[in-house]
Amino acid sequence: GAGVSQSPRYKVAKRGQDVALRCDPISGHVSLFWYQQALGQGPEFLTYFQNEAQLDKSGLPSDRFFAERPEGSVSTLKIQRTQQEDSAVYLCASSSTRTETQYFGPGTRLLVL
Amino acid sequence: AQTVTQSQPEMSVQEAETVTLSCTYDTSESDYYLFWYKQPPSRQMILVIRQEAYKQQNATENRFSVNFQKAAKSFSLKISDSQLGDAAMYFCAYLWGAQKLVFGQGTRLTINP
Repeated sequence: GAGVSQSPRYKVAKRGQDVALRCDPISGHVSLFWYQQALGQGPEFLTYFQNEAQLDKSGLPSDRFFAERPEGSVSTLKIQRTQQEDSAVYLCASSSTRTETQYFGPGTRLLVL
Repeated sequence: AQTVTQSQPEMSVQEAETVTLSCTYDTSESDYYLFWYKQPPSRQMILVIRQEAYKQQNATENRFSVNFQKAAKSFSLKISDSQLGDAAMYFCAYLWGAQKLVFGQGTRLTINP
């Protein structure tokens, strides 16, 4: 593909709702990353996949956050029972190998009311 | 833990002039990668330049160049001939553990016509 795509671009959820955010990486990219960016801050690492294996989930803030990449391409970040503090931009990035440059998608802005 | 510090929350420069954005980092690793990313209001994180720590030569991409001082753990970005389209948030980032990016807080760059 031409670049990393993410959907939806915007999501408004009521507190307590579950949300699912999708990431389509660049075709052939082995590594996929999720980051959370609060307003006015730099992105913070959430989790990392190499193919379908989730090798690092140390950045997930709570057990309400869950990510998967079942076939080693598309990934979904799921947030259960959303809270107001989950409001942020969620960025997805992919790279051809783990040490190569990460290319980012446009992000999903999540607002929890 | 690795940390990245950008001490300039905001910078401004006249169009066509040169500006330098500062970044320092803390690490115990000897081989690593450093990046500058640009994030315009559209939120898409765009790679500006990449530096590999084992390379002594400073990276250059057209009007963008870095001053990489490994001993001082400093990685500044110089933008020459500033253009209106350069206005954005600029993030310095360190690739930690060869997988996750650690970002600084960002510098907001304004270009004055």
